[in-house]
Amino acid sequence: GENVEQHPSTLSVQEGDSAVIKCTYSDSASNYFPWYKQELGKRPQLIIDIRSNVGEKKDQRIAVTLNKTAKHFSLHITETQPEDSAVYFCAASAGSYQLTFGKGTKLSVIP
Amino acid sequence: DSGVTQTPKHLITATGQRVTLRCSPRSGDLSVYWYQQSLDQGLQFLIQYYNGEERAKGNILERFSAQQFPDLHSELNLSSLELGDSALYFCASSGAGGPETQYFGPGTRLLVL
Repeated sequence: GENVEQHPSTLSVQEGDSAVIKCTYSDSASNYFPWYKQELGKRPQLIIDIRSNVGEKKDQRIAVTLNKTAKHFSLHITETQPEDSAVYFCAASAGSYQLTFGKGTKLSVIP
Repeated sequence: DSGVTQTPKHLITATGQRVTLRCSPRSGDLSVYWYQQSLDQGLQFLIQYYNGEERAKGNILERFSAQQFPDLHSELNLSSLELGDSALYFCASSGAGGPETQYFGPGTRLLVL
């Protein structure tokens, strides 16, 4: 089955700096890659997603890039703010509609 | 608000007991997924239902079972509870927004004493 590795497990950045979280996947048939943000004790919320026919997607301060050849995808957050502090999860789907999640990255934005 | 609802929000019970968690998907969504999230752990996929039928199973224990009813709401039954079953249980739904795009409910926090 699919295996998703996510790095780093924790990340601290100064407010205003950029943050990058990277994920790799094992199943070359995977074609859908969402990112979720989870604040403490709350539901995971979809923040951005990308499909395999697209190399990059942006939404304001958030961007995701996908390299299908290398089987990795990344989340980029620019101009970080304290409210960006949360746990971020990447996931991959190989068309069976199931999502396989990475283990999460705890992002801390220091004011 | 994702449009996915879950009840109850909190549940405290004793070892050996049985509980039922309930989930109502977003309007128009046919798929329901159940996940378990233990302390400092990621999201472990348990089971998926699509339009009333089981579609996929993940790391679901034999003590756990689920079903999806004709009105598309779903229930997750946990029996012979153990201390290690204490966790957040999320359901998610998909369908109207694309088959893979999953929207999560607020979760049920289960504490087994």
